[in-house]
Amino acid sequence: DTGVSQNPRHKITKRGQNVTFRCDPISEHNRLYWYRQTLGQGPEFLTYFQNEAQLEKSRLLSDRFSAERPKGSFSTLEIQRTEQGDSAMYLCASSSSTGGEQFFGPGTRLTVL
Amino acid sequence: GESVGLHLPTLSVQEGDNSIINCAYSNSASDYFIWYKQESGKGPQFIIDIRSNMDKRQGQRVTVLLNKTVKHLSLQIAATQPGDSAVYFCAENDYGGSQGNLIFGKGTKLSVKP
Repeated sequence: DTGVSQNPRHKITKRGQNVTFRCDPISEHNRLYWYRQTLGQGPEFLTYFQNEAQLEKSRLLSDRFSAERPKGSFSTLEIQRTEQGDSAMYLCASSSSTGGEQFFGPGTRLTVL
Repeated sequence: GESVGLHLPTLSVQEGDNSIINCAYSNSASDYFIWYKQESGKGPQFIIDIRSNMDKRQGQRVTVLLNKTVKHLSLQIAATQPGDSAVYFCAENDYGGSQGNLIFGKGTKLSVKP
């Protein structure tokens, strides 16, 4: 499968715990995006990378959230001290450096109890 | 607030009929628009896109229309099939001015009756 992959697909955690999600983009794509989607809403932008450089962060990305893309390939999104309000689907997308169509992964469904 | 929205949250059509899903956007600087289909439990799937230098683009059974004068976008699905049942999102981007993130609307749920 040469699409965007995300792991894990589902994560259940207790409030206050840290969680980390992984995204593997399409191999030739330089841009990688993280979005959050809550029930009944469209995806909301969190942050984006051009190669290993994190170029933009949304105001939604509080200091409990951190994202990395150390080698310009896969990316991780970590949430520290999770809160119930963090429960959502976390989507990763990638695109070529010229922009345009973003290809989405299947998402990681986070449930914070 | 959101700069992209949809006129109707739900749309129910008969199998074989044509579907039209509408979207309004507010950022006149947006130069790229895209429609995604999202089935339950899955990530958004690309349907069709259009750049601001065009007003119409056709794909397989789908057509996107862009009216920049009134900042309106629509997705037309011909001969709607049960497999088209999903939530449809429009999204916009100002690639000329911003870094590349898409701004999504809330979505329209399309239900196809057999």
